[in-house]
Amino acid sequence: EAGVVQSPRYKIIEKKQPVAFWCNPISGHNTLYWYLQNLGQGPELLIRYENEEAVDDSQLPKDRFSAERLKGVDSTLKIQPAELGDSAVYLCASSSRPGGAYNEQFFGPGTRLTVL
Amino acid sequence: GIQVEQSPPDLILQEGANSTLRCNFSDSVNNLQWFHQNPWGQLINLFYIPSGTKQNGRLSATTVATERYSLLYISSSQTTDSGVYFCAAHSGGGADGLTFGKGTHLIIQP
Repeated sequence: EAGVVQSPRYKIIEKKQPVAFWCNPISGHNTLYWYLQNLGQGPELLIRYENEEAVDDSQLPKDRFSAERLKGVDSTLKIQPAELGDSAVYLCASSSRPGGAYNEQFFGPGTRLTVL
Repeated sequence: GIQVEQSPPDLILQEGANSTLRCNFSDSVNNLQWFHQNPWGQLINLFYIPSGTKQNGRLSATTVATERYSLLYISSSQTTDSGVYFCAAHSGGGADGLTFGKGTHLIIQP
């Protein structure tokens, strides 16, 4: 079974440029998460989707960050415009929630963003 | 939200040694996971263990939910065990993602 897929793996951009990250969750997983990991820290949640609905985006900086999950499968996270402080690893995770119960999360390899 | 603290922050051992990593959390949990982050940044699932004890080869984990801690045991360490070990928990309130500790950086020397 394929794991969580993310692309690109690495991205280098200049500040003020836009950037987008793509995630394909494990087949059948209805819950999708985007996390941000700064160097030397643990990941922090940005947004959670249940199918196509964003049910928790309280940690997403909405002035420059946006996300979508069309058709409840793949998801895209966008930053526009990027700032120097956005340099980090962006991780996508997914889980199944049978009957709404909490379940194990699985992570993709991440996208390492460098903003110059 | 829930607080997750890991200890020790750094651990250097010789190959073949055993180690115990600790995770304390501030609230009752309905999800607790241990991960190993390899040098390429991939988070590898080790255990999903909101309570009880599990074993997988040289690794085992125990979560005592009533006392709000979890332990990860690594026996007969190998150099490939090096990396950062994260504990992550979810308590059911607030943001519905995992809250991670700061990790334990483990170095296994040959």
